[in-house]
Amino acid sequence: DAGVIQSPRHEVTEMGQEVTLRCKPISGHNSLFWYRQTMMRGLELLIYFNNNVPIDDSGMPEDRFSAKMPNASFSTLKIQPSEPRDSAVYFCASSWDDLNEQFFGPGTRLTVL
Amino acid sequence: KNQVEQSPQSLIILEGKNCTLQCNYTVSPFSNLRWYKQDTGRGPVSLTIMTFSENTKSNGRYTATLDADTKQSSLHITASQLSDSASYICVVSALGASKIIFGSGTRLSIRP
Repeated sequence: DAGVIQSPRHEVTEMGQEVTLRCKPISGHNSLFWYRQTMMRGLELLIYFNNNVPIDDSGMPEDRFSAKMPNASFSTLKIQPSEPRDSAVYFCASSWDDLNEQFFGPGTRLTVL
Repeated sequence: KNQVEQSPQSLIILEGKNCTLQCNYTVSPFSNLRWYKQDTGRGPVSLTIMTFSENTKSNGRYTATLDADTKQSSLHITASQLSDSASYICVVSALGASKIIFGSGTRLSIRP
């Protein structure tokens, strides 16, 4: 298995633009997590899906952020409109069941100018 | 308040030496504790995961301990190698994965 796949690896955009981050979890995993990492705040859980259903999105910063998981092999995290303070590395992780080991993707480094 | 505190913030040791990283938590109700290694520019990689009933778990040269009574965990690295240079993150989950609390990490540097 190729592991968790994220795209793009790097994204540079201007304030106000829409940004869409993509994730393909490991086949057979039923839990998917979106994280954000910054130097100031470290790793933060944004949202968690189990069997394609959002379980808790309390970590999502505000209404500008939305996440979807239309099927077991694909998820998106969208920011609209983007702001400079959204600049961070966004990680996607998947696991078999929420209590088991999570496998992280390589991350998407987002820079909002 | 659910919190995970790690110490030290950073650590420099010579290659071949041992070291111990600390993690104290106040997360409740406790589900599990994980240690992750994160190399610069990469995603975290799981080293160990321990539930309430486990007090030690090893993964090669990495040994994690858990004292659920004092709510403390440690990660011991034996015979350090240059490749051990990374950030080590302690993560504690409360029952229900939505309550995942991350420590701020310990930045470990191994010098030749």
